[in-house]
Amino acid sequence: EVQFLASGGDVVQPGGSLRLSCAASGFTFSSYAMSWVRQAPGKGLEWVSVISGSDGTTYYADSVKGRFTITRDNSKNTLFLHMNSLRAEDTAVYYCGTSIGDSCYSPVESWGQGTLVTVSS
Amino acid sequence: DIVMTQSPDSLAVSLGERATINCKSSRSVLYSSNNKNYLTWYQQKPGQPPKLLIYWASTRESGVPDRISGSGSGTDFTLTISNLQAEDVAVYYCQQHFNVPFTFGQGTKLEIK
Repeated sequence: EVQFLASGGDVVQPGGSLRLSCAASGFTFSSYAMSWVRQAPGKGLEWVSVISGSDGTTYYADSVKGRFTITRDNSKNTLFLHMNSLRAEDTAVYYCGTSIGDSCYSPVESWGQGTLVTVSS
Repeated sequence: DIVMTQSPDSLAVSLGERATINCKSSRSVLYSSNNKNYLTWYQQKPGQPPKLLIYWASTRESGVPDRISGSGSGTDFTLTISNLQAEDVAVYYCQQHFNVPFTFGQGTKLEIK
């Protein structure tokens, strides 16, 4: 069974930094692309970033480019989202998910429960 | 960026009836090299992560009941839920993964009439 344990969400001041983690199990982690999406309170889904399984290709939404970095540790089956220069508009539940294939362009098959990031002074 | 527009924003359907949700992309999401539409449908219930229903526009995910189907190609897509059940109450999103950024529609809230 595919499972995710997302962690790292917290209350942080504007301009601050945070690292989200997503520990995965139940599948061959290194073979699949991994993604982050977010959902602000009461709002719809917003795609954030994706990383391929094998060659580490990454893509970002314009709203986070230059501030967020997606990485993965295939030896620990863990996905990360490094978040810098946080803004109030980054406040959201962040979900990690795995695709059906290695390519960044593969559809995301399964999403974890999410972790809440609140940016507030 | 490819803009995804869903219609309607919300709808109420009687139990046992059919619900139809539309999704229109500002550009084609059909990749000619493999003839696949890079269009996915998700269902989200309150307090839960999204759940994959349909990918490649019309391929039903394992475990999804066959009364839920996806159709369309290019720029116009439809999610159809037949024989509506109480468990189908949720918000439904389409997403394109043809071009970065992989944009979502604004969501369609489905309720029971």
